Amino acid sequence: GAGVSQTPSNKVTEKGKYVELRCDPISGHTALYWYRQSLGQGPEFLIYFQGTGAADDSGLPNDRFFAVRPEGSVSTLKIQRTERGDSAVYLCASSQGTSGSQNIQYFGAGTRLSVL
Amino acid sequence: AQSVSQHNHHVILSEAASLELGCNYSYGGTVNLFWYVQYPGQHLQLLLKYFSGDPLVKGIKGFEAEFIKSKFSFNLRKPSVQWSDTAEYFCAVKGLSFQKLVFGTGTRLLVSP
Repeated sequence: GAGVSQTPSNKVTEKGKYVELRCDPISGHTALYWYRQSLGQGPEFLIYFQGTGAADDSGLPNDRFFAVRPEGSVSTLKIQRTERGDSAVYLCASSQGTSGSQNIQYFGAGTRLSVL
Repeated sequence: AQSVSQHNHHVILSEAASLELGCNYSYGGTVNLFWYVQYPGQHLQLLLKYFSGDPLVKGIKGFEAEFIKSKFSFNLRKPSVQWSDTAEYFCAVKGLSFQKLVFGTGTRLLVSP
């Protein structure tokens, strides 16, 4: 596609429920990133994939958060037992590679998650 | 650990005024530096980047930024703002040993016509 696509654009769920957020990166981009943006803050890193593997998951806040990228393209961020504090905009980005000018990250529009 | 400070949280300017947004980072090694912009209702877009070489970099829409290594700064400038520059601006740093971007808290710019 022309850009990074994220679905759904909005997700409202109840505390304790499970949610999945999807990211479709720019075609041919090998690296994929997830960030979380809370109100009044800049995006905060969650996890980075190089191909199918999670190369850096140091930003995941706890074990309720998990992400996969089984075929090296589309990625899904999974949140179990959601809490009200998980409410935020979840951003996905992709880059062509990881060195030099290939390491420019292009962002999607995000998924706004609201946990009631 | 890397961190980024954007000291101006809200800036209000009239059209044709000059703009300078401050960005300071904390990281001991070599860095790549970025400014992203988010226009109302739109996604984050890259405004400009610094990887190496000339510390004065030019981006889209007349924006420029200067990397001053001794001050750990990467301030964004534009000589004459337009109403269409109303947006939120984020400075970000990436250490060469990492792939993640570390963002500042952002600066909301409002340009009045």
